[in-house]
Amino acid sequence: GEDVEQSLFLSVREGDSSVINCTYTDSSSTYLYWYKQEPGAGLQLLTYIFSNMDMKQDQRLTVLLNKKDKHLSLRIADTQTGDSAIYFCAESDNFNKFYFGSGTKLNVKP
Amino acid sequence: DVKVTQSSRYLVKRTGEKVFLECVQDMDHENMFWYRQDPGLGLRLIYFSYDVKMKEKGDIPEGYSVSREKKERFSLILESASTNQTSMYLCASSPQGYGYTFGSGTRLTVV
Repeated sequence: GEDVEQSLFLSVREGDSSVINCTYTDSSSTYLYWYKQEPGAGLQLLTYIFSNMDMKQDQRLTVLLNKKDKHLSLRIADTQTGDSAIYFCAESDNFNKFYFGSGTKLNVKP
Repeated sequence: DVKVTQSSRYLVKRTGEKVFLECVQDMDHENMFWYRQDPGLGLRLIYFSYDVKMKEKGDIPEGYSVSREKKERFSLILESASTNQTSMYLCASSPQGYGYTFGSGTRLTVV
């Protein structure tokens, strides 16, 4: 499958901003996604961005896409303890098959 | 809300047993997927299906098979369970061109 890379851990203090980064290899990706997984649960779609967009904002979430560098980031403003979870970056090709990164575990310290 | 339901949250099976993991979705989605999730490896695609009776191998199909007799149901079968198949199994469905909806997962332990 295609390669999607993320760092494994990120630790921030409550109230700070978190930035989770992702790089991917498939230049034909149509959509790029961020999923959140809370302990013991399945994955929940947080947000997605079309490959012809540079930025998408949704309340506390900002997604930035640098298509030239194949770099995707998720910024969470005013991070709360409830944001502690594993965040997965994913890309899909035109056939709806998804490729996931290994997930970034976000730890929010009070 | 779309629901993807996996029949069991936790399963314990013996080595060599035949294991069925069931997944049902209620929104008439064409696409269904089975992933396994292991620490440090993320999600790896086992099999997927774009239509009834249709199946395609993912990245790690060895030791698994699938069945999709009805649009809403996609079953993952471990023909002869082995300890290296101990994992979290996640089912997902999607309509064409949109993101996945995941089930809550089945944690399988093979002893």
